Amino acid sequence: AQTVTQSQPEMSVQEAETVTLSCTYDTSENNYYLFWYKQPPSRQMILVIRQEAYKQQNATENRFSVNFQKAAKSFSLKISDSQLGDTAMYFCAFMKLTNSGYALNFGKGTSLLVTP
Amino acid sequence: SAVISQKPSRDICQRGTSLTIQCQVDSQVTMMFWYRQQPGQSLTLIATANQGSEATYESGFVIDKFPISRPNLTFSTLTVSNMSPEDSSIYLCSVENSIGGAPLGYTFGSGTRLTVV
Repeated sequence: AQTVTQSQPEMSVQEAETVTLSCTYDTSENNYYLFWYKQPPSRQMILVIRQEAYKQQNATENRFSVNFQKAAKSFSLKISDSQLGDTAMYFCAFMKLTNSGYALNFGKGTSLLVTP
Repeated sequence: SAVISQKPSRDICQRGTSLTIQCQVDSQVTMMFWYRQQPGQSLTLIATANQGSEATYESGFVIDKFPISRPNLTFSTLTVSNMSPEDSSIYLCSVENSIGGAPLGYTFGSGTRLTVV
């Protein structure tokens, strides 16, 4: 079974600073996908970034980037130049094979607060 | 990416009653996923709904409690049956976005906040 672990329940960062959210996962598969999702108070789940396991290059989306360490099964999210609107729950997710296809397996989340 | 309309956005229900949640997608999708997010918790997959066949449930979830319909490729419903306060959660539907078989990510509905009293 695949498990996703986010060891930081809460984090805080000042506006314009950089913060890194950690995520580790456990799998025996070689080809898979990893995602970071953001859930603001509106509770809408928003895709932040995705990483394909067979690509060594770390994914980047504007101020968001990942540090993907496949051997260590680590997938951290770095947010640069933090903005107040980045305040949200952040979930790391692993795409897993279910009884009828692929679905997402989520970590417990990290609550990020960006302060002025 | 697909756009999902989910309703109701919230409801307060009496224990012992049932609530049906609807998700409408603006494009045809093969699979739709239903998740539960208990207060302060992460998302847990309830079941996967394929058009034309019975939904496939994850461990700990059963059809009698969470019946799902999938009448066509753009619509699905999840019913929470015989509700108890423990069913108070946010329920979300989701679809996969992909190109050429490569998953791009999942789009989620805006969620239904259910409170059972």
